[in-house]
Amino acid sequence: SSELTQDPAVSVALGQTVRITCQGDSLRRFYASWYQQKPGQAPVLVIYGKYSRGIPDRFSGSSSGNTASLTITGAQADDEADYYCSSRDISGSHWLFGGGTKLTVL
Amino acid sequence: QVQLQQWGAGLLKPSENLSLTCAVYGGSFSTYYWTWIRQSPGRGLEWIGEIYHSGSTTYSPSLKSRVTISVDTSKNQFSLNLSSVTAADTAVYYCGVRDCSDSVCPLGYWGPGTLVTVSS
Repeated sequence: SSELTQDPAVSVALGQTVRITCQGDSLRRFYASWYQQKPGQAPVLVIYGKYSRGIPDRFSGSSSGNTASLTITGAQADDEADYYCSSRDISGSHWLFGGGTKLTVL
Repeated sequence: QVQLQQWGAGLLKPSENLSLTCAVYGGSFSTYYWTWIRQSPGRGLEWIGEIYHSGSTTYSPSLKSRVTISVDTSKNQFSLNLSSVTAADTAVYYCGVRDCSDSVCPLGYWGPGTLVTVSS
């Protein structure tokens, strides 16, 4: 199918590790990128493929089969945000976003 | 460092045409894809389409019949036109820069967003 599926909400205790996942058929062919969005702000790129982009190294990305993952090791209060994955669709011609995951840091 | 500034009408009536422009500062204009994304209130992100500096475009299949993205390389600007809007087109519209120097082609830079409300 031409969609990316994310869990709507995930929570993590302060300082613990959390993994946010993104599933889709196209992820078997293409890497995902990940975006962090805080209320009232534009999204910010945090991870593309396996690479981070100018963000704390507690953020990391991985991929296996039809699932891409964003892992935050030692979550901080400032990490509380919505996270979106994105990748090409199965044809490679268009782009998709996942529905987003709201991360709560307890 | 790439910076994006965007502008356009924020309040439209049903059946009117949406028009937004995004100016790009500080980037290598000729190597990026210029993208439009929207986000309906309380909802997720939706890819609208994008244009390469050559003028080639790709659009979301669900919006293709109403969308036109154009580029003015002399001004380092690109524009979105969405025809015959309805209330369902009410959203924050973002322009963005996609860098395909890496095969993942991430959206590395985003504009601040423009809220467009469609209401009679």
